Amino acid sequence: GAVVSQHPSRVICKSGTSVKIECRSLDFQATTMFWYRQFPKQSLMLMATSNEGSKATYEQGVEKDKFLINHASLTLSTLTVTSAHPEDSSFYICSAPRGGISTDTQYFGPGTRLTVL
Amino acid sequence: QQQVKQSPQSLIVQKGGISIINCAYENTAFDYFPWYQQFPGKGPALLIAIRPDVSEKKEGRFTISFNKSAKQFSLHIMDSQPGDSATYFCAASVDQGAQKLVFGQGTRLTINP
Repeated sequence: GAVVSQHPSRVICKSGTSVKIECRSLDFQATTMFWYRQFPKQSLMLMATSNEGSKATYEQGVEKDKFLINHASLTLSTLTVTSAHPEDSSFYICSAPRGGISTDTQYFGPGTRLTVL
Repeated sequence: QQQVKQSPQSLIVQKGGISIINCAYENTAFDYFPWYQQFPGKGPALLIAIRPDVSEKKEGRFTISFNKSAKQFSLHIMDSQPGDSATYFCAASVDQGAQKLVFGQGTRLTINP
């Protein structure tokens, strides 16, 4: 069964509003989670690394004030797209490595389809 | 140096045939090489992974071949089935899966019945 969940699976919002996406590890604790964005027929692009108890680290070119990340607990990370615009429409996917620093399995969530009108 | 280059972009194979997807990397610090399978509208699912201390790993119909000196690795799908039709991504990371993955561009595989 799924070990990483995301909510919601789909969201449609108006331009200028904010949208929050949740990522949960279901049966393990994750001090680190990763957020990706995937445009249609393209690869996954890492946006940021979510760190429990500290600030997220963002990849080059990703606006940290637009994509707010909060890793509130060892099983939950949230991504908030602030003042969303149509160009933010994409498939957002989170992942988490299972078992801590020495694991070799990173599990992905089912993704959230964001459509900004 | 962080790139992982994947080919081909798309691949059509007849049912029962062998599907082969190739990846190449530059960063010699990479020590974990997974392959992910993604169906439309779904998140990627880990298919099989390899570390650089072995040259081949097989799980069922799926085999990874790894060439450390050439900095290349490939996925072979034996006896390909229509249900294998999906997009496949190779990836690489440092410090095994705990660190951020660098993904290839993806290969859209179609298995014709």
